[in-house]
Amino acid sequence: DAKTTQPNSMESNEEEPVHLPCNHSTISGTDYIHWYRQLPSQGPEYVIHGLTSNVNNRMASLAIAEDRKSSTLILHRATLRDAAVYYCILRVYSGGGADGLTFGKGTHLIIQP
Amino acid sequence: NAGVMQNPRHLVRRRGQEARLRCSPMKGHSHVYWYRQLPEEGLKFMVYLQKENIIDESGMPKERFSAEFPKEGPSILRIQQVVRGDSAAYFCASSPLRPPYEQYFGPGTRLTVT
Repeated sequence: DAKTTQPNSMESNEEEPVHLPCNHSTISGTDYIHWYRQLPSQGPEYVIHGLTSNVNNRMASLAIAEDRKSSTLILHRATLRDAAVYYCILRVYSGGGADGLTFGKGTHLIIQP
Repeated sequence: NAGVMQNPRHLVRRRGQEARLRCSPMKGHSHVYWYRQLPEEGLKFMVYLQKENIIDESGMPKERFSAEFPKEGPSILRIQQVVRGDSAAYFCASSPLRPPYEQYFGPGTRLTVT
């Protein structure tokens, strides 16, 4: 998996939007952008993924730059339960499956009440 | 819809004993992944298995560690002759057979070696 760069930590207030950036300047045309998060003392949780177009689901939105060298995970209205470490991961799919995830250090998101 | 199940949730072993960690994937999933998270460190991929096959074990330590995913039953991560450095949280994940192959993680097994 290609390398991604994320800020070590970010802080936001409850009920405000949060924008979590990720740089992936060496991304290739076949890399998908995946986001996972890990809440304290829990296993990681899939959040969202995308290739070129912006994506929305019930958890978050993913905005992908036109050149695909960066992306931003958007939590529209953060709650205390969103406090977690967020990981941006690039993945390539092969026939019939995909390799294990390569986790970096991620961004530690702190939510203030 | 039951999620990924791991047992035991907590396991204490003395140095030199064997540890067996079990993982039942989500219903319909036949891809299983194991990860290790050492204290205050990030998650590291260990092994990727499909039913009766090891697909990628590039993250497995060369000695004492083995994994299997039999045709019937859960996936097993086995650690022989445990040492204190094996103390960690071990997470299992499963994924479906279609893109984007997102992974669903279990709650983990916390292994403590005394």
